Amino acid sequence: GESVGLHLPTLSVQEGDNSIINCAYSNSASDYFIWYKQESGKGPQFIIDIRSNMDKRQGQRVTVLLNKTVKHLSLQIAATQPGDSAVYFCAAQKGGGNKLTFGTGTQLKVEL
Amino acid sequence: ETGVTQSPTHLIKTRGQQVTLRCSSQSGHNTVSWYQQALGQGPQFIFQYYREEENGRGNFPPRFSGLQFPNYSSELNVNALELDDSALYLCASSLGSPGRVETQYFGPGTRLLVL
Repeated sequence: GESVGLHLPTLSVQEGDNSIINCAYSNSASDYFIWYKQESGKGPQFIIDIRSNMDKRQGQRVTVLLNKTVKHLSLQIAATQPGDSAVYFCAAQKGGGNKLTFGTGTQLKVEL
Repeated sequence: ETGVTQSPTHLIKTRGQQVTLRCSSQSGHNTVSWYQQALGQGPQFIFQYYREEENGRGNFPPRFSGLQFPNYSSELNVNALELDDSALYLCASSLGSPGRVETQYFGPGTRLLVL
């Protein structure tokens, strides 16, 4: 089965700096990947996704990079703000499948 | 906001009891998935419903069951509650079709505490 893991349980950054959160997955058949942000007491909020036919996708202040060779993806947040403080999860899904497999999450703390 | 709503927001039950959690999907979405999130962990897939039929199940015992209604709202039922069932239960809706992966949008969750 699939397993997804994040490299660091906690990441502290200064306000205005860039943040990079890394994630590894195990199943080479996974072809859809999503980053979610979860604030305390709330459900996961979609940030950005990427399909396996791409290696980079950009959104507003966020970029996801996918390296299929080493089964690794990362989330980059530019100019990190206090409102970015949350737990970030990466999730993987196999094509035609129905379930998302989540990692354990990285707590992002933004210091003023 | 995703447009996915869940009720109740919080619930306290005792061991052995039964519970029903409810989810209303985002407008236009025909697929609903349920996840269990223990404290400090990522969500774990319980099962998915597509057009009122179960469409895949995770590693959860049969006492976890579900329903999807013609309006695509959904219920999660858990019988014979155990202490380890204490968790945040999340539903996610998506616009599904066979063999196609679509983004899942989550509701705020129901926090269940089993005493």
